Amino acid sequence: SQQGEEDPQALSIQEGENATMNCSYKTSINNLQWYRQNSGRGLVHLILIRSNEREKHSGRLRVTLDTSKKSSSLLITASRAADTASYFCATGAEAAGNKLTFGGGTRVLVKP
Amino acid sequence: DSGVTQTPKHLITATGQRVTLRCSPRSGDLSVYWYQQSLDQGLQFLIQYYNGEERAKGNILERFSAQQFPDLHSELNLSSLELGDSALYFCASSPWGRDTDTQYFGPGTRLTVL
Repeated sequence: SQQGEEDPQALSIQEGENATMNCSYKTSINNLQWYRQNSGRGLVHLILIRSNEREKHSGRLRVTLDTSKKSSSLLITASRAADTASYFCATGAEAAGNKLTFGGGTRVLVKP
Repeated sequence: DSGVTQTPKHLITATGQRVTLRCSPRSGDLSVYWYQQSLDQGLQFLIQYYNGEERAKGNILERFSAQQFPDLHSELNLSSLELGDSALYFCASSPWGRDTDTQYFGPGTRLTVL
């Protein structure tokens, strides 16, 4: 079973617009990671945010974490066609050997 | 390129057969993880090894087994294959298997069971 749920399941935007997706989880975590997957290919790590952090930036990516609400958001600014992919959040807890528990993903389509 | 390699890229086999998937972690990484991605179950953690020892177990079937060798590469063995085992199998690696580690994923092995 998956711990996280991503919202929305799918998102379609125009190039240049911002894309925001949310992730909710159920149990206590030590970190939360976001990954990108292009159609049936490998997962590319985007960003890791620890449970004691509230916000993190990496290039055009901004991730927030609210542990009181057990939720995270990923914002992609000024989207490009190349950002078309599925985005997954994954939570890690050291008690379980840091296995990652993935959400169902958000499919993002950026139209040129 | 994450530095994690997986072979083969594609595997087509029949029900009841046995296959072995291979993973080489990034240079210097001691921990290896296996994940399965299927349409109905999504991405699921299977098992983790750290420096040759099993560290954590997830939703891994008894028909599946894995090991990590002294040179740190890992193999996932799937036996008595069923149609439902068709999926993408990913290997990931991280330096220490700690919660502060980023897990880097390989390109995956796509298994099709006919």
